[in-house]
Amino acid sequence: DTGVSQNPRHKITKRGQNVTFRCDPISEHNRLYWYRQTLGQGPEFLTYFQNEAQLEKSRLLSDRFSAERPKGSFSTLEIQRTEQGDSAMYLCASSRRQGGSYEQYFGPGTRLTVT
Amino acid sequence: DAKTTQPTSMDCAEGRAANLPCNHSTISGNEYVYWYRQIHSQGPQYIIHGLKNNETNEMASLIITEDRKSSTLILPHATLRDTAVYYCIVRVERDNQGGKLIFGQGTELSVKP
Repeated sequence: DTGVSQNPRHKITKRGQNVTFRCDPISEHNRLYWYRQTLGQGPEFLTYFQNEAQLEKSRLLSDRFSAERPKGSFSTLEIQRTEQGDSAMYLCASSRRQGGSYEQYFGPGTRLTVT
Repeated sequence: DAKTTQPTSMDCAEGRAANLPCNHSTISGNEYVYWYRQIHSQGPQYIIHGLKNNETNEMASLIITEDRKSSTLILPHATLRDTAVYYCIVRVERDNQGGKLIFGQGTELSVKP
């Protein structure tokens, strides 16, 4: 079990540029989640996948954000035309059913700074 | 999902037990209680969860009151590395629902030497 990994760990970009983050979940975890966390706040849910299907999206996920999970393995989160308000930590988590529950395991996050 | 209430911050002496309370008075019968923690600049870490019965694992114990309206996370021998923000979350577990976590502000636990 290598845990959830995220790349890159840090990204600095200029306003208006596009960025893409990658998340590799724990193998055999069929659910994958994206969250965003700004300074001093708890993580906020963005979207989740069950296998390759994107089943829920938060209203926080504007049309500049898109997420994919081809083949139900790794996932990418793309932000187009970045704005300074997009600066945050982007967290990925994965889970699978164990007994009656789904514990989520988080990656280290990608910290995005938009200048 | 039910809302939770936690104290904003707590201190604990190193080596002593840390008892972190959580109120979830509107919890319904099929909602689980989950605890996560987040050490500074890291992703949240799963600690423990329970439905009705008290639970214990290698990290902590979870005590849920009989009416399930509140719970306490116990770290039996707190160390400096337990300094973190602790989140109490309640949610339903259903196969046809995503099980997204709704984080509140959490409790900032400071373990002091």
